[in-house]
Formats: sequence, C-alpha cells, structure tokens
Amino acid sequence: KAGVTQTPRYLIKTRGQQVTLSCSPISGHRSVSWYQQTPGQGLQFLFEYFSETQRNKGNFPGRFSGRQFSNSRSEMNVSTLELGDSALYLCASSLVLAGANEQFFGPGTRLTVL
Amino acid sequence: GQQLNQSPQSMFIQEGEDVSMNCTSSSIFNTWLWYKQDPGEGPVLLIALYKAGELTSNGRLTAQFGITRKDSFLNISASIPSDVGIYFCAGRQGAQKLVFGQGTRLTINP
Repeated sequence: KAGVTQTPRYLIKTRGQQVTLSCSPISGHRSVSWYQQTPGQGLQFLFEYFSETQRNKGNFPGRFSGRQFSNSRSEMNVSTLELGDSALYLCASSLVLAGANEQFFGPGTRLTVL
Repeated sequence: GQQLNQSPQSMFIQEGEDVSMNCTSSSIFNTWLWYKQDPGEGPVLLIALYKAGELTSNGRLTAQFGITRKDSFLNISASIPSDVGIYFCAGRQGAQKLVFGQGTRLTINP
C-alpha cells in the first residue's frame, strides 16, 4: 500500500507570493492533518480535515488555509508569504478521526521563502 | 500552542547502551504515539498505545502508556548507529488534535 505522498518536495518562493501544497493520503484514510516544522518551534499543528470538513484548527493566521476533496486528497494554501513561513510542511493521514487513529506522515514539502 | 514536555532534549550515548526518554502532560490522553524522524524526512510511527498501563514492544523499542494517562515512556535497548535521529512523542484525547513533544535528539558514538 502506498504511503502518504506530498508534492512538490521542494519549493522556493519570494515574499508576498502564495503557494499551494498537495497531499495524497494512504488509500482508505479519510483524515488528513497538516503541520509546520521549524528548528525552533518543532511540530506545529495547522489543521485537520475529515470527510471534507475542517475538524481541528491550530493557532495560525488566516493566511494559512486548507481544504479536502471528496477523494480525501488535501491541499493547503499560504498567501502573502513571509520569510518566517520557511519550513518543512508535513501532511499526515489516519483512517479515522478518533479511536485507533495512528497518523502516518508523508516526506514533507520544504518551502523556502526569499 | 499546547505541547507535551519531552525529556531529555538531547542524548549522547555509546553504541550498545540502552536509552530512555519520556513525555509528560497536564492533560489526560487516550492515545500516545511515538515517532522517529531522520533528517529531511517525515516522522515514522514506531509505536501506538491506546490503554493506560499498556506496554508495547517493537523490536528493541518498548513504550508504555502511563497509568495516570498523563505520561508515556520509550526505551531503546542495545542502541545501534541507525537509531540516530529525533524521537517525538504525541498524545491525543478523542477527536482533538494530536499534540507533539519537542523531540529528543539521539546521537550515538560508535
């Protein structure tokens, strides 16, 4: 069974631009979560989607948004990029939202904002 | 945001030694997960725990779900060079978001 895939793996943008990252969960998984990882802040939760609905949300500004499609694939968008948005963005999928809900991570998208 | 207290932050050990790390929380969790992350990669799930007092092994790794449901422990026996990396604990209550510790960076001297 294929794992979680994320595209692109690497991205370079300039301040003010916007970016869209994509995540395809493990087949059959219906929950997708997004995290931002930086050396200083560790893994910070962005949001979680289940059945196309946002179920949990972290403490990030409105420039960060996401959505989930009917096939469970998810995208996250960051508008008006800032230098501090440079990070590894990780997507994780799980079978369900609660209970036996191990999250499996993708390899991440490394975003660099210049 | 809310985070778990994971300790130690870093460990420098000799190959063959045993390793212990733990996470504590002020909140009760009904799920504890342990992950390992290699540089430039996403975290890989090592062990999942769902019941207070549960002790689960995965090869040389053993993790326990604390009786109080506010802590968890990970032990690695007879460490080898490929154990190098950052280990994260994560806890969850019901359908709430998964909360991560700050990680333990493990370095092994051959």
